[in-house]
Amino acid sequence: AQSVTQLGSHVSVSEGALVLLRCNYSSSVPPYLFWYVQYPNQGLQLLLKYTSAATLVKGINGFEAEFKKSETSFHLTKPSAHMSDAAEYFCAVSDGAGNGGYNKLIFGAGTRLAVHP
Amino acid sequence: EAGVVQSPRYKIIEKKQPVAFWCNPISGHNTLYWYLQNLGQGPELLIRYENEEAVDDSQLPKDRFSAERLKGVDSTLKIQPAELGDSAVYLCASSRYPENIQYFGAGTRLSVL
Repeated sequence: AQSVTQLGSHVSVSEGALVLLRCNYSSSVPPYLFWYVQYPNQGLQLLLKYTSAATLVKGINGFEAEFKKSETSFHLTKPSAHMSDAAEYFCAVSDGAGNGGYNKLIFGAGTRLAVHP
Repeated sequence: EAGVVQSPRYKIIEKKQPVAFWCNPISGHNTLYWYLQNLGQGPELLIRYENEEAVDDSQLPKDRFSAERLKGVDSTLKIQPAELGDSAVYLCASSRYPENIQYFGAGTRLSVL
C-alpha cells in the first residue's frame, strides 16, 4: 500500500526566506509523485510532478522538488517566499497510470504555509 | 479552456436529507474523479470513471452514496440519507491520456446539521 507523510502541518517563513516543505512516501513500486497547492475556497492546482525522468523537478511559481529514492523523500522548495505563496500544500503519490489517467492519488494531510512580512 | 465546474459551491442540509453534487469536467477529459476532503486532511478518492465506466469505486460507501456518469461527460454524486459525518468538501477532478494530470474543480462544501 502507498502512503504519504508530510512533516509539519504548519510552516511559517518570512517573506524572502527559503521555503522547505517535507514529504516522505511509501510505495512498493516506482512511484509517481506530485505536489499540489490549494488556496482558500479553491480546488487543488498542480505545482509539479515526478514521473521517473529527472530527479530534480521544476514547477510553477518558482517551486521545485527533488526525488530521493534512498530517503523516500520528495521535498518541495522555493528559494524566496512571496506573500502570495501562503496556501495549503499537498504531496501525493500514485502507483501508475492507465490509458485514462493516473491511478488514484494518495494525498498527505497537507502543510499550511504562512508567509509573514 | 474552461476548467472543471462544480455546483453548488455550498450546500447546507439537515441530517437524513438527500443531497446531490454535479461536476462538468474539462472538455475532452475521459477520466473523472470524485474526492472527499475532510477538514484538515488531504483528499481521498471516492470513485474514478473512465468514460462512463466506474473503474475504481472501492472507497465509495455504497449504502448511502451513489454516482453516475451516464454519457461519459458530466457526473453526479448523491448522498441519501446524509449524516452529520458527511460534512466535508467534495472535489471533482478530470484528466486525459496521455497527459494524465488531474485538474480539480473548486469543490462543493457540504454542511449537514
